[in-house]
Amino acid sequence: DTEVTQTPKHLVMGMTNKKSLKCEQHMGHRAMYWYKQKAKKPPELMFVYSYEKLSINESVPSRFSPECPNSSLLNLHLHALQPEDSALYLCASSQDPVAGDQPQHFGDGTRLSIL
Amino acid sequence: GENVEQHPSTLSVQEGDSAVIKCTYSDSASNYFPWYKQELGKRPQLIIDIRSNVGEKKDQRIAVTLNKTAKHFSLHITETQPEDSAVYFCAASITGNQFYFGTGTSLTVIP
Repeated sequence: DTEVTQTPKHLVMGMTNKKSLKCEQHMGHRAMYWYKQKAKKPPELMFVYSYEKLSINESVPSRFSPECPNSSLLNLHLHALQPEDSALYLCASSQDPVAGDQPQHFGDGTRLSIL
Repeated sequence: GENVEQHPSTLSVQEGDSAVIKCTYSDSASNYFPWYKQELGKRPQLIIDIRSNVGEKKDQRIAVTLNKTAKHFSLHITETQPEDSAVYFCAASITGNQFYFGTGTSLTVIP
């Protein structure tokens, strides 16, 4: 069972489109993450939210805009993306943003294709 | 920041043999080391983890060992099965909200 739910599973968009990715968890986790993953590469951290506040932005281009409306939801707003942004976008959550020994739970991801 | 190296990048074993994947890390403050299995087109799944106050942990056919002095940790899979074929990632964490991943090992178990 996937405890972190991501929608949509697949998304094809043009470079001028605006779309959003959604992530939801109901485990009471207070840290949520966005990762970008290319085929056979490790997940690449984009953003971290701790207690609904943005705590880490790994120098991600402004065409990616994260939002955390509440402790269960995480969005990633997309605008004017480039073909190289095509990838699997993974959301993850972990219980405690402060403790260093809690596992991350990943969603199934959104496979994004930019035309 | 932390740097995690993982070897080998690809590994092929005969069914029933053992597989070992090794990772090294650079920051002695890292205190949590999870291993993830990712099948093609699927999400990374946590298969085992170890905390810095433990030297070894086992779960059925999977075990992880940690050597804090040498700053390395290893994944051991015994009696491998075709369904173990996947990409495996190690990771290290210092704080609760930043995980550093290794580059991955593509494991193929040959029936």
